[in-house]
Amino acid sequence: GQSLEQPSEVTAVEGAIVQINCTYQTSGFYGLSWYQQHDGGAPTFLSYNALDGLEETGRFSSFLSRSDSYGYLLLQELQMKDSASYFCAVGNQAGTALIFGKGTTLSVSS
Amino acid sequence: DAGVIQSPRHEVTEMGQEVTLRCKPISGHNSLFWYRQTMMRGLELLIYFNNNVPIDDSGMPEDRFSAKMPNASFSTLKIQPSEPRDSAVYFCATGTGTYGYTFGSGTRLTVV
Repeated sequence: GQSLEQPSEVTAVEGAIVQINCTYQTSGFYGLSWYQQHDGGAPTFLSYNALDGLEETGRFSSFLSRSDSYGYLLLQELQMKDSASYFCAVGNQAGTALIFGKGTTLSVSS
Repeated sequence: DAGVIQSPRHEVTEMGQEVTLRCKPISGHNSLFWYRQTMMRGLELLIYFNNNVPIDDSGMPEDRFSAKMPNASFSTLKIQPSEPRDSAVYFCATGTGTYGYTFGSGTRLTVV
């Protein structure tokens, strides 16, 4: 079977840095993605890692270690608007559908 | 392009009734995905299409669920008969894993 594990909740204050971890077990692997979803909204794409290492996009970075079946999303300079759910997702081969983790709810306070 | 358009946004129906959810995907994408989201189970893949052909429907809960994609511009997800446990937000999405999926706004279904 396939499974993705991520923490259910994370809290932080404005300006801080937070890391959301994701470990996965899949029959194949074609990349790790991250999505953000605000309450009542649709998931939106944040990042994609196919190879090991860190990908940076503004305040957000995503890391992948294929040998450890592990990745994380790093959010820096947190803002209140970053309060949302964050999902990791895995594709096990090209052209197949993504499988999503249960999501991590991030609460940012002032 | 207006993005992925789903209708209706909200649907309240009585148990036993037929429900049809609609999706108009972004043009130019070959794949279309239907997901269901609940607090307990998260985002579950129901079915996906490539070039209008169903590829994997193993996530469809049971025979009460069916999906069609008669052309590249339109897809439906039908539940007949509906049950209270079908209450969820249903999302349609297009795209690729590499460049990201674009989700529609979802249909919030409540079966009473």
